[in-house]
Amino acid sequence: EILLTQSPGTLSLSPGEGATLSCRASQIFSSTYLAWYQQKPGQAPRLLIYGASNRATDIPDRFSGSGSGTDFTLTISRLEPEDFAVYYCQRYGSSPPWTFGQGTKVEIK
Amino acid sequence: EVQLVESGGGLVQPGGSLRLSCAASGFIFSNYNMNWVRQAPGKGLEWVSYISTRSSTIYYVDSVKGRFTISRDNAKNSLFLQLNSLTDEDTAVYYCARDAEWQEGDYHYYGMDVWGQGTTVTVSS
Repeated sequence: EILLTQSPGTLSLSPGEGATLSCRASQIFSSTYLAWYQQKPGQAPRLLIYGASNRATDIPDRFSGSGSGTDFTLTISRLEPEDFAVYYCQRYGSSPPWTFGQGTKVEIK
Repeated sequence: EVQLVESGGGLVQPGGSLRLSCAASGFIFSNYNMNWVRQAPGKGLEWVSYISTRSSTIYYVDSVKGRFTISRDNAKNSLFLQLNSLTDEDTAVYYCARDAEWQEGDYHYYGMDVWGQGTTVTVSS
């Protein structure tokens, strides 16, 4: 089973600042299987990024993803008030189980 | 509008059973693989189960194998999860989520692009 470790656990930032979220895997896998999700309190997750770097439908271009091998990054260039949420990475589409990272909370400083 | 709506959650005693349903609308349900994902209170997301379009391929996370059964009825645009032998560790919000695949040249990409609002399962005596 490939485990995903996200860091930091919590990121305290102000609107307008940039955010860099990390997702590290316990084994190498293809970046085509790496997705990022955003979840706000009381809401279902929303797909942000698939294939490590492709924005999903209607996702603003301030969100970008990168990485390969075991190290993946989600970058939010300028935080808007609606971006404060929990973000999860997931390996999905190759052999199961399809694990999620434990999440990074982006909170208002 | 593309939509998934879960139902069937509730309070159940340890060892009990529940059947969750997920009603799909706004898209051709039979063309999509589907998943169940759960989230325990205050915790992260956990993928639970997957079913292919014609139910020919099914996967489960190890912790639910032998206890949960995923199924679908394409004629009724519905996905199901039968939960048996429930323990307090199964207490969670259960989401159904649509499998999405994109192809660009030789590359195939994957994600869960549509999610329901979730249904809450509470296992307690």
